[in-house]
Amino acid sequence: QKEVEQNSGPLSVPEGAIASLNCTYSDRGSQSFFWYRQYSGKSPELIMFIYSNGDKEDGRFTAQLNKASQYVSLLIRDSQPSDSATYLCAVNDGRGTSYGKLTFGQGTILTVHP
Amino acid sequence: DADVTQTPRNRITKTGKRIMLECSQTKGHDRMYWYRQDPGLGLRLIYYSFDVKDINKGEISDGYSVSRQAQAKFSLSLESAIPNQTALYFCATSDWGTPANTGELFFGEGSRLTVL
Repeated sequence: QKEVEQNSGPLSVPEGAIASLNCTYSDRGSQSFFWYRQYSGKSPELIMFIYSNGDKEDGRFTAQLNKASQYVSLLIRDSQPSDSATYLCAVNDGRGTSYGKLTFGQGTILTVHP
Repeated sequence: DADVTQTPRNRITKTGKRIMLECSQTKGHDRMYWYRQDPGLGLRLIYYSFDVKDINKGEISDGYSVSRQAQAKFSLSLESAIPNQTALYFCATSDWGTPANTGELFFGEGSRLTVL
């Protein structure tokens, strides 16, 4: 059973702080990694994807991937109350008949308080 | 209009009833998925289809069946609903195999099912 684990929440940070969300995965052959944001009662929406080791930045968001440690993280700089949501990590193993199938972590609830 | 449309959005039913959740998409994607979401458990894959003739079980397919009627339509059925199938169900498409080819999933708005 391929597993994706996220750091237990909920995570609470003050407005303007950096929020750090972490995710580990069990399948060393995983190829691509996704962070989704989900507001309560809504569908998940993609924030970022990352394929290569290192950092990928998009505005206030930075995704970090370390395939050797099987670890992917999401940093949110200058956190805003509107960032309060559940963040889902998803992993694609990219092989054989499973190609294109994402496995999700359980999600981390982030609350940004004014 | 949403690119991925699910119907119904909300449904309350009784144990033993047959339920169908429908999904249609206008994104032109071949790959479609049904996920289930329960509090604290993230999204779990029920079934997925890479084209009309290719349907595969996900990690929690027991008690569910699917039909891929066309490239744009993928339905999920609960033949005899039970209370622990109460959940939020999401249909999604993927851009794998398209020029974009990022692997991103595009979700419908969800169908909230309650089985009494």
